[in-house]
Amino acid sequence: NAGVTQTPKFQVLKTGQSMTLQCAQDMNHNSMYWYRQDPGMGLRLIYYSASEGTTDKGEVPNGYNVSRLNKREFSLRLESAAPSQTSVYFCASSEGWGSRDTQYFGPGTRLTVL
Amino acid sequence: EDQVTQSPEALRLQEGESSSLNCSYTVSGLRGLFWYRQDPGKGPEFLFTLYSAGEEKEKERLKATLTKKESFLHITAPKPEDSATYLCAVSEGGADGLTFGKGTHLIIQP
Repeated sequence: NAGVTQTPKFQVLKTGQSMTLQCAQDMNHNSMYWYRQDPGMGLRLIYYSASEGTTDKGEVPNGYNVSRLNKREFSLRLESAAPSQTSVYFCASSEGWGSRDTQYFGPGTRLTVL
Repeated sequence: EDQVTQSPEALRLQEGESSSLNCSYTVSGLRGLFWYRQDPGKGPEFLFTLYSAGEEKEKERLKATLTKKESFLHITAPKPEDSATYLCAVSEGGADGLTFGKGTHLIIQP
């Protein structure tokens, strides 16, 4: 099992450009999450999907949209990138939707917005 | 006010020198406390989940404990390969993700 995979690994954008970060998991998990990690801060939740067909906002959703394409895939879209969105983005998944379930993380996408 | 506070921010130890990392939390209804290890340029790697005060879990040189207000990650006789950032996270309920601390950057010198 590959676990949680993310593409691309690195990306450089200019202000105003758009892009989609892709995430897939092969563990048959129901819930998926997007976090961002910035220096000096803990990981912060952007959006989550408790189950296929549902998505909800997390702590820092502004400037992002998500799509739960199917049970395996959960994408994060930046419609008009801003320098404040320079960050490392992590996707995670968990078996159930309950708060006691362990989340497993992907390797991350390092995004720079110029 | 941070809900999850980790201390120290950084810790440098000699190989074999045991120590503890602290994670204090202020959430009202803790459902689970999670410890992760993160190596540079990598995603967080799951270590432990603790659910109730008094619970303890061990893995190799690491032991995690939980009280009503904090958790400790004890590292016994560490090796250089234990060098990493250790992250603590809590869950309050629902499927709305984890609240993370800022991490403790641990360096083990040979």
